[in-house]
Amino acid sequence: KNEVEQSPQNLTAQEGEFITINCSYSVGISALHWLQQHPGGGIVSLFMLSSGKKKHGRLIATINIQEKHSSLHITASHPRDSAVYICAVRSYNTDKLIFGTGTRLQVFP
Amino acid sequence: DVKVTQSSRYLVKRTGEKVFLECVQDMDHENMFWYRQDPGLGLRLIYFSYDVKMKEKGDIPEGYSVSREKKERFSLILESASTNQTSMYLCASSSGTGMGGTEAFFGQGTRLTVV
Repeated sequence: KNEVEQSPQNLTAQEGEFITINCSYSVGISALHWLQQHPGGGIVSLFMLSSGKKKHGRLIATINIQEKHSSLHITASHPRDSAVYICAVRSYNTDKLIFGTGTRLQVFP
Repeated sequence: DVKVTQSSRYLVKRTGEKVFLECVQDMDHENMFWYRQDPGLGLRLIYFSYDVKMKEKGDIPEGYSVSREKKERFSLILESASTNQTSMYLCASSSGTGMGGTEAFFGQGTRLTVV
């Protein structure tokens, strides 16, 4: 079983829909990252959080440390949000990043 | 604007060739990382470095080596390329002490095909 699990693996949405991507992990962590990877490969860091909630524009990330779960929400989705979203946790013991396999999001006009 | 730059977006190499992938960051970060990304497996750590001339093996170091002669540059070397090293390679850097640092910044990736 992977130490970081994301769901769903693939997600399609119509423009304007509210989107939620989930991340569950099984290790002790010091931080959790949400990353965005566009076609072509480059990765951009969206959020780094260790508790509570963060918001940036239409993106919201939440984390529940007790339940070892995080969610990434996109409000009023747009075709330019189409990308792979990756959850990564920083292991408390090893200090290394452990990555989920990503959620491929396609938003259609 | 902070930048992690990888020398090539796409590379095609022959089996047995020695391959160099270069990564440069302009943020004065202590920590630099090389990952490979394969479908269904996510990103896996090959090597990382937390200081000049320092290197540590990641989870899948076999068949690879690295060099960090200057703080801003971290090179990944495939000593004798094989077809199972066909993959997307991503470089990252982060600041802070220790192995992990804080927020990680990624390069644009190099898609390597070994034929």
